[in-house]
Amino acid sequence: EIVMTQTPLSLPVTPGESASISCRSSQSLLSRDDGNTYLDWYLQKPGQSPQLLIYMLSYRASGVTDRISGSGSGSGTDFTLRITRVEADDVGVYYCMQRAVFPCTFGQGTRLEIK
Amino acid sequence: QLQLHESGPGLVMPSETLSLTCSVSGGSINTYYGTWVRQSPGKGLEWLGYIYYNGNSYYNPSLKSRVSMSVDTSKNQFSLKLTSVSAADTAIYFCARATSRFTLSGVVMDFIESWGQGTRVTVSS
Repeated sequence: EIVMTQTPLSLPVTPGESASISCRSSQSLLSRDDGNTYLDWYLQKPGQSPQLLIYMLSYRASGVTDRISGSGSGSGTDFTLRITRVEADDVGVYYCMQRAVFPCTFGQGTRLEIK
Repeated sequence: QLQLHESGPGLVMPSETLSLTCSVSGGSINTYYGTWVRQSPGKGLEWLGYIYYNGNSYYNPSLKSRVSMSVDTSKNQFSLKLTSVSAADTAIYFCARATSRFTLSGVVMDFIESWGQGTRVTVSS
């Protein structure tokens, strides 16, 4: 199975600053069939179930703020979630998940906290 | 508004079978995938597999032959069974609905769009 590795595991951020979370996959998530990258990002707020933020590398889910964006390096193995102007409501654990190859696998999670 | 709700026993004896049902309201399971994800205490997320509305399924090989899923479109529900459970299966179990997309090989599961609130299952005697 594909191993997903996130860094950092803990991310203290000052309100108003930007934050970046990295996710690396053990093999490419770039589909040779259609050229899409099957990498999604989820946020699990305290006491809640995960919620979809970004799908297929860079597409924001419905209702997700444009302060959140997803990108990739082009290699198909390195990905970044960026949050600008961090707010208290952004606190939680962020997970990347690949679905390019089954079984789907998640990163370990990055806990974002407010300084 | 789409809602998913897990139901089932919160306590299961070791070596017995864990059975959970996910009820979908405010939307249909037809043409969608039902999927299950679990979260062990203090750990991350583990994807267990999916059941398509037409009955096609895929299970995480890590669970070997212990897992099975089923769907009842007439009730707008899908279910999970995990046999021969041990303490390692203690977790919060989430059901979720995933979209589908078309590929050269046919229909496959796309992104997980909506999750239930999760149900805590403890395996203990």
